Amino acid sequence: AQSVTQPDIHITVSEGASLELRCNYSYGATPYLFWYVQSPGQGLQLLLKYFSGDTLVQGIKGFEAEFKRSQSSFNLRKPSVHWSDAAEYFCAVGPNTNAGKSTFGDGTTLTVKP
Amino acid sequence: SQTIHQWPATLVQPVGSPLSLECTVEGTSNPNLYWYRQAAGRGLQLLFYSVGIGQISSEVPQNLSASRPQDRQFILSSKKLLLSDSGFYLCAWVPPFAVRGSSGNTIYFGEGSWLTVV
Repeated sequence: AQSVTQPDIHITVSEGASLELRCNYSYGATPYLFWYVQSPGQGLQLLLKYFSGDTLVQGIKGFEAEFKRSQSSFNLRKPSVHWSDAAEYFCAVGPNTNAGKSTFGDGTTLTVKP
Repeated sequence: SQTIHQWPATLVQPVGSPLSLECTVEGTSNPNLYWYRQAAGRGLQLLFYSVGIGQISSEVPQNLSASRPQDRQFILSSKKLLLSDSGFYLCAWVPPFAVRGSSGNTIYFGEGSWLTVV
């Protein structure tokens, strides 16, 4: 069975500082990996995804993530955080099957200090 | 372009009352449709999914049911709400498997519905 762990429930960074959100997954084959962002009271929006190829993927809003098979990780990074990045971030893993189901981590809440 | 709408955005219902949350997708055909629930401070729990009209799969035993009366319409229902049904409900869609291409099983979410059972 597939699973996702986001070890950090809450992270606080200063505006302009770098950010790394951790994600570890468990999956029996080549995973399809995603990062989504959720602003308070809103739905989730896709930040970036990895299916194959280059292990460093670029997403929207200046985010990037690196797939490391040996560590079963897919950490999200941003070199300089903006106050508008404060939100909840979800990592997800899912096979590209007919059902198209993904498994989500419990999320990491990002607070940005001025 | 594709859009997803769900309503109502906010709902306060007494225990024992019925529930109906609706979701429609526009701009695509034969999408996979999903209902998720998000409890406060928790991740997303998949409740139901559907790969076609009338085809519903339930992921967890519960007080809720889902129906797909039309290709792009997905409804979440309950005959009698429980306090534990309170939460944030998200409808979502994924392109049908045959046409996903490079998007894979990327999920597109609605704006969510807040349900408070009192």
